[in-house]
Amino acid sequence: KAGVTQTPRYLIKTRGQQVTLSCSPISGHRSVSWYQQTPGQGLQFLFEYFSETQRNKGNFPGRFSGRQFSNSRSEMNVSTLELGDSALYLCASSLEGQGYSPLHFGNGTRLTVT
Amino acid sequence: EDQVTQSPEALRLQEGESSSLNCSYTVSGLRGLFWYRQDPGKGPEFLFTLYSAGEEKEKERLKATLTKKESFLHITAPKPEDSATYLCAVHYDRGSTLGRLYFGRGTQLTVWP
Repeated sequence: KAGVTQTPRYLIKTRGQQVTLSCSPISGHRSVSWYQQTPGQGLQFLFEYFSETQRNKGNFPGRFSGRQFSNSRSEMNVSTLELGDSALYLCASSLEGQGYSPLHFGNGTRLTVT
Repeated sequence: EDQVTQSPEALRLQEGESSSLNCSYTVSGLRGLFWYRQDPGKGPEFLFTLYSAGEEKEKERLKATLTKKESFLHITAPKPEDSATYLCAVHYDRGSTLGRLYFGRGTQLTVWP
């Protein structure tokens, strides 16, 4: 069974640009969450989607947005990039939106903002 | 303030030298505590879920335990391939869904031959 797939694996962008990251969850998983990982802050929750609806949102500015499609695939967008947005962006999927199904993570997209 | 604190930050063990990693949490209404392993350049890999105090889970050389305030990840006779960062995360009542976990900073484990 294929795992969570994230594309692209690496991105280099310039301040002020915008970027879109893509995530394909494990087949059958309807919940998708996004996390930002940095050496200074560790793993921080961005948002969660279930059945195309945002169910939860972390404490990130409005420049960070996301969406989920009917096939459960998800994208996140960061507009007006800042140097501090450089991070590993991780997508995770779970079988259910609630309950005790664990999150399964992809290998992330490494974003570098110059 | 941090809801999840892991210690030590880094741990070096000789192959075969057993030890424990600690994860303490300050949240109330714990609904689940999760252990993950993360290798460099990869996403976290799920290891265990613990739900209530007294619960234990085992997988190969790893054993996770849970009390009301902390969890331990015991590593018995580790091998170099156990080298990784081990992350602890909690899901607790706060009107929150399971997709939102609160992670500790991790323990970087190095096992040398």
